[in-house]
Amino acid sequence: AQSVTQLGSHVSVSEGALVLLRCNYSSSVPPYLFWYVQYPNQGLQLLLKYTTGATLVKGINGFEAEFKKSETSFHLTKPSAHMSDAAEYFCAVNFSGNTPLVFGKGTRLSVIA
Amino acid sequence: DSGVTQTPKHLITATGQRVTLRCSPRSGDLSVYWYQQSLDQGLQFLIQYYNGEERAKGNILERFSAQQFPDLHSELNLSSLELGDSALYFCASSARGGLDSPLHFGNGTRLTVT
Repeated sequence: AQSVTQLGSHVSVSEGALVLLRCNYSSSVPPYLFWYVQYPNQGLQLLLKYTTGATLVKGINGFEAEFKKSETSFHLTKPSAHMSDAAEYFCAVNFSGNTPLVFGKGTRLSVIA
Repeated sequence: DSGVTQTPKHLITATGQRVTLRCSPRSGDLSVYWYQQSLDQGLQFLIQYYNGEERAKGNILERFSAQQFPDLHSELNLSSLELGDSALYFCASSARGGLDSPLHFGNGTRLTVT
């Protein structure tokens, strides 16, 4: 079955440290990939997306993600964490035209001062 | 602001009751999606409509139903409510519903069944 796996339900980093949130998907065909962020009491907001072309995708708020076909991964990174980055992050994959976005279970990012 | 409007923001009701959640998509978006978010299940896709027609169905219970009206707003009806239906219900919209179309989410309706 097609699935999206986010490693680590909770990641904690110090302010100014590197943020790395992991996402792997199961598919032999390169899908369309997205990262969303959810702040408390809000809906999900698109951070970035990969469709075709350059494998390194830049998003909002200094985040970027790299699509690695050989590893079926789409990890999200940010060089320097800020307190305002504390939120829940969701990786989502569109595997085919017949199914809507499949979301991972989310990773809660905490930023420590 | 995503442009997707959901009402009400909060809903508290008793078991066995019926409620209706409403969603207005972003201007120009033809596709509407409903998702349920709970702590144990994460984000679960319920149903998708495109320009008034049902396009895809996910893990939607028979007690739940939805529709998209000619003005493109959508309603999700939940009946014979159970305690386990307590969750955050999100509506999202996209322009075409294509593979590369991102979803734009509303702020959700928090349903509490007592």
